[in-house]
Amino acid sequence: SAVISQKPSRDICQRGTSLTIQCQVDSQVTMMFWYRQQPGQSLTLIATANQGSEATYESGFVIDKFPISRPNLTFSTLTVSNMSPEDSSIYLCSVVKNRGTRRNTEAFFGQGTRLTVV
Amino acid sequence: DAKTTQPTSMDCAEGRAANLPCNHSTISGNEYVYWYRQIHSQGPQYIIHGLKNNETNEMASLIITEDRKSSTLILPHATLRDTAVYYCIVRVLTGAGSYQLTFGKGTKLSVIP
Repeated sequence: SAVISQKPSRDICQRGTSLTIQCQVDSQVTMMFWYRQQPGQSLTLIATANQGSEATYESGFVIDKFPISRPNLTFSTLTVSNMSPEDSSIYLCSVVKNRGTRRNTEAFFGQGTRLTVV
Repeated sequence: DAKTTQPTSMDCAEGRAANLPCNHSTISGNEYVYWYRQIHSQGPQYIIHGLKNNETNEMASLIITEDRKSSTLILPHATLRDTAVYYCIVRVLTGAGSYQLTFGKGTKLSVIP
C-alpha cells in the first residue's frame, strides 16, 4: 500500500491568487497523478507528474494554469494559478504501486485538498 | 478505457447484502473490471478487481458475467460505514495507459439503519 499526505487539507482563497498543494508519499513511486473533483462531480485527471521531466496534461488542462513539480520520487506539488470561483474543487493526489505478488498495479489516493475560491 | 454505466443511486438496509451493478458492454479482452469507493470527504479507496472469474476478498465479492459485458459488486453485510459513491472502472492492467483511471459518475449507495 501507500500512505499519501496532502497539504493543505482545505483552504479558502481570494480570486486572482495562487495556491500550491503538496503531496508526500511514504515510499518511492514512479508515477504520480493529480485529479480534480468539482462539487457533486466525479474525478477528472488533470495531469501525470513525471520525475525528471515535464508533467503530461490531459485535454482541457494547461501548464500555465496548473504548474506541477516533481522534484523526487516521493513528492509532488500542484499549483492552481490565478484562481477564480470556478476552480473551487477538491484536488487529489494519486500514486500507482504494485499490489502484492500479482503482476498488477493499484492506485492509491490522498485525502484531497478542498479549495474554495471567493 | 471502456465506458461503464451504473445506476445513479441505490439504498440498502443495514445488515443486508448490497448488490451494485455495472454495465461495460464495450470492454476489451485485456481490460479488467475495477471497483473503487469514495466515502464522503475522503479519496477513493480500492475495493476489488477481476478479469473474468469471480473474485472475493475481505471487503466484497465481484461477479462478472460470462460475456464480461456486466458485473456486480456485492457487499455481503452492508453497514452504515459502507455509505459511499461506488465507481466501476475498466482498465488495462499493464503497459502504456494502464495507470490513469477514468471515473464515471458512480453509484451513490445509502445504507439505511
